[in-house]
This record gives sequence, C-alpha cells and structure tokens, in this order.
Amino acid sequence: EVQLLESGGGLVQPGGSLRLSCVTSGFTFNNYAMNWVRLTPGKGLEWVSSIRGSGGGTYYADSVKGRFTISRDNSKNTLYLQMNSLRAEDTAVYYCARDLIAAGGSDYWGQGTLVTVSA
Amino acid sequence: SYELTQPPSVSVSPGQTASITCSGDKLGDKYACWYQQKPGQSPVLLIYQDTKRPSGIPERFSGSNSGNTATLTISGTQAMDEADYYCQAWDSSSVFGGGTRLTVL
Repeated sequence: EVQLLESGGGLVQPGGSLRLSCVTSGFTFNNYAMNWVRLTPGKGLEWVSSIRGSGGGTYYADSVKGRFTISRDNSKNTLYLQMNSLRAEDTAVYYCARDLIAAGGSDYWGQGTLVTVSA
Repeated sequence: SYELTQPPSVSVSPGQTASITCSGDKLGDKYACWYQQKPGQSPVLLIYQDTKRPSGIPERFSGSNSGNTATLTISGTQAMDEADYYCQAWDSSSVFGGGTRLTVL
C-alpha cells in the first residue's frame, strides 16, 4: 500500500524557517518524481515545487523561488521542503504528492501538514 | 506566467450532467488533469492526460481538452460528488486552476 506521511508543520514567525518531511512507503521511491503542493483557503491548490526521481532536476513556483528548497533522500524514501524567509502568505496546508507519470498529475497524496506564519 | 481559469461555482441537480471548464492559452496543446477535493481530505486524481481515468475512478467522470478549454464532465451526478474540483496543466512549470465548488442541489 502506497503511503505518504508529512510532518514538520507548525506555527512560525514571519522571517522564520521550517523543514517539512514526507516519509513514503509502498513503492520504489527513486522511480518517481515528487511534488509539494499547498492549499490556502482563499487561493485553492497551488503547486510549490517538484523534484525528479533521481533528484537531478528541481523546479519551483515563482512565489517561493529563492526561499524554499526541495530535496530527497532516496535511501530513506523521504522528501523534504526547507522553507526559509517565511511570509504570512505561505500559511497553508502543505501536501507531498507522487507523480503518476510526467505531466500526468499526482496519484498519491499525503494527509497534509499545516504551516502557520504569524507573529 | 501561465494561468488557468475555472468558474468559482457550478450547480447541478442529482442525476444530471455537470460540466466544469478550465481555460488557458492553447491549453489543448498541453496535458490537463483534474482533481476532486472534499473538506478536510486530500485531493484525488480523477483524470490525467486529458481523458484517462486512474484505476478506481468511476466511469461517470470523463475529460476532454481542445483549443483553449479542458472540460471535466460528471454524468449522473450524485450527492457524494459535491466537492471542489481543480484542473492542473504544465507549461514551463506546473499550474493549478483556481478551483470550482460543485453543488448538488
């Protein structure tokens, strides 16, 4: 059974940092590209970042470029999102999601972890 | 940056057909997919590569994509289909539409 479990969310002050983790199981992790997607009440789903299976290619939304870093440890079947210089508008539920195929959407999602950026 | 536009809301009567559109420049030249999200739950992939259904997705969900518009069609809409629906496509990066709240009246 494919499982994705996020952790690391919480309350952080503006300008602060958090690292999200997504532990996966039930599939060959290094064969799949992975994504971070966030849900905000006012804006809906927003793609944040993606990383190729080998880790060789990383991609970011303009809204987080230069502040967030996606990475993966294929030996631990784990995806990460390092978030720095956090802003109020980064407040959201963050999901990790597995790509079905290239440009094919995400077929498995974690339950999400809430990040709140507030003073 | 590339943008996808969805109607904020769509209403349908039980048993009828609901159509949710997603518009973007030359969207038909790209692959689109669709998700369903209910409150407090994670998104579920309904349609990928314009028309394909993942295993376990009911046949009443179908998709099309041509010109500037991708469409999700739900035939024989049921009360359980009441949810938010999002389209997604890929240009230089991935992008989601703003989402459509489907109400089954």
